[in-house]
Amino acid sequence: DGGITQSPKYLFRKEGQNVTLSCEQNLNHDAMYWYRQDPGQGLRLIYYSQIVNDFQKGDIAEGYSVSREKKESFPLTVTSAQKNPTAFYLCASSMDRLNQPQHFGDGTRLSIL
Amino acid sequence: GNSVTQMEGPVTLSEEAFLTINCTYTATGYPSLFWYVQYPGEGLQLLLKATKADDKGSNKGFEATYRKETTSFHLEKGSVQVSDSAVYFCALSDLQNSGGSNYKLTFGKGTLLTVNP
Repeated sequence: DGGITQSPKYLFRKEGQNVTLSCEQNLNHDAMYWYRQDPGQGLRLIYYSQIVNDFQKGDIAEGYSVSREKKESFPLTVTSAQKNPTAFYLCASSMDRLNQPQHFGDGTRLSIL
Repeated sequence: GNSVTQMEGPVTLSEEAFLTINCTYTATGYPSLFWYVQYPGEGLQLLLKATKADDKGSNKGFEATYRKETTSFHLEKGSVQVSDSAVYFCALSDLQNSGGSNYKLTFGKGTLLTVNP
């Protein structure tokens, strides 16, 4: 079955530590996205990528970094510069940026120790 | 800019009750509209969509009609089940926006629905 796989499901970070969240898709989609979800809030876009080796900042990119070296993979690094990283992180993909809707993974919940 | 406003939750209903979750939007172009559902601990799943005015999206007994005159896309279901308990998100994608934001979905804050037996 085609889909989006996020790992791990739960992740804990110590203060001052960088952590990387994995997102892999086998849908052959060009566009991929990272969102952050906080309780009682909608989803806010962190970064998006329209094609391999290209990515753009979303609305809340500070303290995060991404790479897009392969079409299937779009890892998100939460750096120590992100002062409030505790949240639920969702990865999504779409055929291309003009072809919504987006398909979502099951998310990674990040907590600070 | 684009925005989506959903009715505040939580919404608590008894099984077989009628459901309406209101959604209104602001967009500068000609948006496509979506409803997503999120079950506890999971990602979002597309529930239904509509791409132009007067379109009706429907799926699993849920439906919503794209009303351009009232800029609304209200979600309805005639008889809810316990298994419908989830968070529902209204979203838009503005493909005609010359400002270049057509790469993203704009989400409402979500409405928590709880259905009791």
